[in-house]
Amino acid sequence: EADIYQTPRYLVIGTGKKITLECSQTMGHDKMYWYQQDPGMELHLIHYSYGVNSTEKGDLSSESTVSRIRTEHFPLTLESARPSHTSQYLCASSEASAEPYEQYFGPGTRLTVT
Amino acid sequence: SQKIEQNSEALNIQEGKTATLTCNYTNYSPAYLQWYRQDPGRGPVFLLLIRENEKEKRKERLKVTFDTTLKQSLFHITASQPADSATYLCALASGTGNQFYFGTGTSLTVIP
Repeated sequence: EADIYQTPRYLVIGTGKKITLECSQTMGHDKMYWYQQDPGMELHLIHYSYGVNSTEKGDLSSESTVSRIRTEHFPLTLESARPSHTSQYLCASSEASAEPYEQYFGPGTRLTVT
Repeated sequence: SQKIEQNSEALNIQEGKTATLTCNYTNYSPAYLQWYRQDPGRGPVFLLLIRENEKEKRKERLKVTFDTTLKQSLFHITASQPADSATYLCALASGTGNQFYFGTGTSLTVIP
């Protein structure tokens, strides 16, 4: 079992609210990622980080923001939630170098915006 | 942009048979191709990685092939078991391993 945690697991929230999805890992991995996954669809990378104070946007445009102040922590924030943000959000981490670039995934947060 | 296609239909096979899943891609030349397993309500779990200069990789009952000319990877599970029932995802990665592009996955059901 991978040592990567996400909270909350499920969240139902009203439009316009600010939310933060938490992701923590205890493996000391430098690289961390946030993916968005709709049912039956592929994972889309929305943010990634190479290490502390490093964040980049992924291919899928997202209104969310991330921060990386500590190696083990990579929270994702939505300033004003909308129904279009309803999705599953998956956090992952991997070692900075050397193959196989195996990504360890958290259990995900299922977000519903009403 | 790159496009990754996996078996669009769910795959049902009898226990003990070999399951073969397909991953085709276009508009991309990945350095690595990975396969993950995802169970309902859980995050994906890494299974195997194969490099662009490798033709085949094995791990226990799993076998992956990678044909960069056909732009295709095949994922085989031999002697399949009901516990192998899950969705299997392929993912392409660049040489730096900084970004990954996932397919939609193939749902596999192994019937006892």
